[in-house]
Amino acid sequence: DSGVTQTPKHLITATGQRVTLRCSPRSGDLSVYWYQQSLDQGLQFLIQYYNGEERAKGNILERFSAQQFPDLHSELNLSSLELGDSALYFCASSVVPRVSNTGELFFGEGSRLTVL
Amino acid sequence: AQKVTQAQTEISVVEKEDVTLDCVYETRDTTYYLFWYKQPPSGELVFLIRRNSFDEQNEISGRYSWNFQKSTSSFNFTITASQVVDSAVYFCALSEASGSARQLTFGSGTQLTVLP
Repeated sequence: DSGVTQTPKHLITATGQRVTLRCSPRSGDLSVYWYQQSLDQGLQFLIQYYNGEERAKGNILERFSAQQFPDLHSELNLSSLELGDSALYFCASSVVPRVSNTGELFFGEGSRLTVL
Repeated sequence: AQKVTQAQTEISVVEKEDVTLDCVYETRDTTYYLFWYKQPPSGELVFLIRRNSFDEQNEISGRYSWNFQKSTSSFNFTITASQVVDSAVYFCALSEASGSARQLTFGSGTQLTVLP
């Protein structure tokens, strides 16, 4: 158990809909990362927050947004969903703002999104 | 730009055989961190090891060993006396220490199947 909690574990929805994925980082971790794992794109970095502020952006679509709340949990919002958004979405956390010798990432179990 | 290549898409071995998973990386940074993660069929990403670019010592942990060679930009992972429970997708990942890169860049993964 990594200590990172993601909900829901599975989600099935229809095209055009909007969903919210939630992540609670490990106790004491200030940094939250979101990754998308799909068959065609592999594991791709989406976005990172550190102590409530956006720190880095990767290949995140404009239809997607995220935020980190004062209690450090984070939410990833996916809107106007398309079939291609079906993927496993991982949240990871670390205590420091960047991956480093001490800032390894601990991953949650992921939220599997299926868009029909 | 950083890049990680795992040329072996799938490997199948019989239990008790040794197996090596290859990882080649590209980076312009002199300081960087390399990781291996395991993704079992249940889907979670499990951290296995982290190395920094200054430490080229090989590491052994039980049946697992890692060979880091800066001269060939490789960070290979060997499982000795493989077991069925080792069946999983293994990802190599890289994080640069400088610039805005604060996240992990993953390779495409190697699916390891250990047959009884």
